[in-house]
Amino acid sequence: NAGVTQTPKFRVLKTGQSMTLLCAQDMNHEYMYWYRQDPGMGLRLIHYSVGEGTTAKGEVPDGYNVSRLKKQNFLLGLESAAPSQTSVYFCASSYPGLAGATRTQQYFGPGTRLTVT
Amino acid sequence: ELKVEQNPLFLSMQEEKNYTIYCNYSTTSDRLYWYRQDPGKSLESLFVLLSNGAVKQEGRLMASLDTKARLSTLHITAAVHDLSATYFCATTLPGGSQGNLIFGKGTKLSVKP
Repeated sequence: NAGVTQTPKFRVLKTGQSMTLLCAQDMNHEYMYWYRQDPGMGLRLIHYSVGEGTTAKGEVPDGYNVSRLKKQNFLLGLESAAPSQTSVYFCASSYPGLAGATRTQQYFGPGTRLTVT
Repeated sequence: ELKVEQNPLFLSMQEEKNYTIYCNYSTTSDRLYWYRQDPGKSLESLFVLLSNGAVKQEGRLMASLDTKARLSTLHITAAVHDLSATYFCATTLPGGSQGNLIFGKGTKLSVKP
């Protein structure tokens, strides 16, 4: 199993450009998440999805859109990139919160480093 | 609003010494997670704590959870250089079946010989 993969690994955008980050998981997980990590800020949730065709806002959703057309993929879109969106983006996936201890653990992808100039 | 606070944020240790990282959270939660992140890398799950009084140990790391005090600790015993990394704690909102994690800002640990 590849686990959680992210494409691309690095990207540089100019202000106003658009792009889509792709997250894929092969663990048949229902839940998927997009986080951003900024220095000294920890990770903050952007959007999440509890199943195919459903998405919801997290803590910092402004300027981002997401889609979950297939269970294994979760896309994060930036329609008009801004320098404030320079960050490292992590995707994660998990099983639903059932009674089993390990089922609530989130598995993280390797991250995408995005710079907006 | 759920807030998660870690301290210290930076920790410089000598090898073979012991130390504790603290994680406080502001509202009731029944689960607490600890992750490790090496520079430029992703997050690796260390511990999942699911009940009051839970204690888990892996090598030189031991994590505990006190839900009444809303406190988790990560204790490092006889530190070695390989433990140098940033450690994050995270928890979920009460009844957070979606698993939305709220992270602390992380503790950057540096173990020096």
